[in-house]
Amino acid sequence: GNSVTQMEGPVTLSEEAFLTINCTYTATGYPSLFWYVQYPGEGLQLLLKATKADDKGSNKGFEATYRKETTSFHLEKGSVQVSDSAVYFCALTKGQAGTALIFGKGTTLSVSS
Amino acid sequence: GAVVSQHPSRVICKSGTSVKIECRSLDFQATTMFWYRQFPKQSLMLMATSNEGSKATYEQGVEKDKFLINHASLTLSTLTVTSAHPEDSSFYICSARADREFTEAFFGQGTRLTVV
Repeated sequence: GNSVTQMEGPVTLSEEAFLTINCTYTATGYPSLFWYVQYPGEGLQLLLKATKADDKGSNKGFEATYRKETTSFHLEKGSVQVSDSAVYFCALTKGQAGTALIFGKGTTLSVSS
Repeated sequence: GAVVSQHPSRVICKSGTSVKIECRSLDFQATTMFWYRQFPKQSLMLMATSNEGSKATYEQGVEKDKFLINHASLTLSTLTVTSAHPEDSSFYICSARADREFTEAFFGQGTRLTVV
């Protein structure tokens, strides 16, 4: 079945540093890919998504490109802020569109000023 | 985005008792709801998928008689942990989707269950 592997954290950065959180996947068919964020004490929020190869999802300065050739969906941000401190989850659809999500283990990001 | 409310946010119960967790879509009708379980420092594991008015589909290894899921209306799904044991202690999260085609699934804030 579909699965996702996410780099382990924690990731500790200074404010304005460049962020990359790696995510690779295995899947049959053409899953949709997602990044979710969980801020302290809050629920999961969709950060960005991509539904087909070469799509780039972007939101709040974060970007990720659906790379079919490398089966990757790495999350990047050019300049992180303290408010970006959270846990980030990479996910993909379990089966065809509309099905449940399979999540990575999550990566904790801590940004200091 | 749409709001999914999960209640309670925290619950402590004694071994052998049952606990019910509610998941409500507040401003949309959820034809499909998903229940996940998250262990400390681990990923969310899908437990089951429920469609309104039909039986839930459980993932392999999830005991359907222990984790009872009811999706009786388009805005409410419940997860009942029956005869809870300490190993059932975990973080349970629901998500809801508006229709059967692909749309974003919105997540509740989760329920921390502790069985003592």
